Amino acid sequence: EVQLVGSGGTVVQPGGSLRLSCAASGFTFDDYTMHWVRQAPGKGLEWVSLITWDGGSTYYADSVNGRFTISRDNSKNSVYLQMNSLRTEDTALYYCAREQGLYYFDNWGQGTLVTVSS
Amino acid sequence: NFMLTQPHSVSESPGKTVTISCTRSSGSISSNYVQWYQQRPGSAPTPVIYEDIQRPSGVPDRFSASIDRSSNSASLTISGLKTEDEADYYCQSYDSSIQVIFGGGTKLTVL
Repeated sequence: EVQLVGSGGTVVQPGGSLRLSCAASGFTFDDYTMHWVRQAPGKGLEWVSLITWDGGSTYYADSVNGRFTISRDNSKNSVYLQMNSLRTEDTALYYCAREQGLYYFDNWGQGTLVTVSS
Repeated sequence: NFMLTQPHSVSESPGKTVTISCTRSSGSISSNYVQWYQQRPGSAPTPVIYEDIQRPSGVPDRFSASIDRSSNSASLTISGLKTEDEADYYCQSYDSSIQVIFGGGTKLTVL
C-alpha cells in the first residue's frame, strides 16, 4: 500500500524558517517525481513545487520561488520542503503527492499544517 | 500561465446527474491533460479522473469526464448522485513552463 506521511508543520513567526518532510513507503520511491501542494484554510489547492526522480530538476510556483527549496533523499525514501522567509500567506496545510505521469497526482499524504503568525 | 475557472458551487438531488465545468482562460484545453480530484471535508484530495477522461481503478463509472474544444473547457459528470459524492471537486492541468494549475474548486451539495 502506498503511504505518504508528512511531518514538520508547526507555528512559526513571519520571517522564520521551517523544514517539512514526507516519508514514502509501499512503492519504489526513486521511480517517481514528487510534489508539494498546499491549501490555505478554507481555500483551494495551490501547487508549490516538484522534484524529479533523481533530484536533477526542481520547479516552483512563482509565489514561493526564491524562498522555498525542495529536495529528496532516495536512500531515506523522503522528500523535503525547506521554507524560508515565511509570510502569513504561507499558512496552509501542506500535502506531498506522488506524480503518476504528466502531472497526475495519484497518491497524496495526509497533510502537515504550517501556521505563520506572530 | 492560464487559469482554470470552475463554478463555486453546484447542488442536485440524490439519483440525479450533475456536471461541473472547468474553463481554461488561454491556450487550448486539449493542449494539456486535465485531471479531477475529489476532496471530502477533513481529507486529502483523491483523483477521480486523469488524462482528460480516464478513471482510476476503484472509481465508480458514475464518474465521467469530457473535453469541449468549442468552449475550451473540461467537464466532470457524476450520474446517479449519492450523498457520499458531496465534496469539493478540483480540476487541474499544467503548462509548458512546468507550472501546475488548479481550478478554484466546486462545492457539490447533494440534497
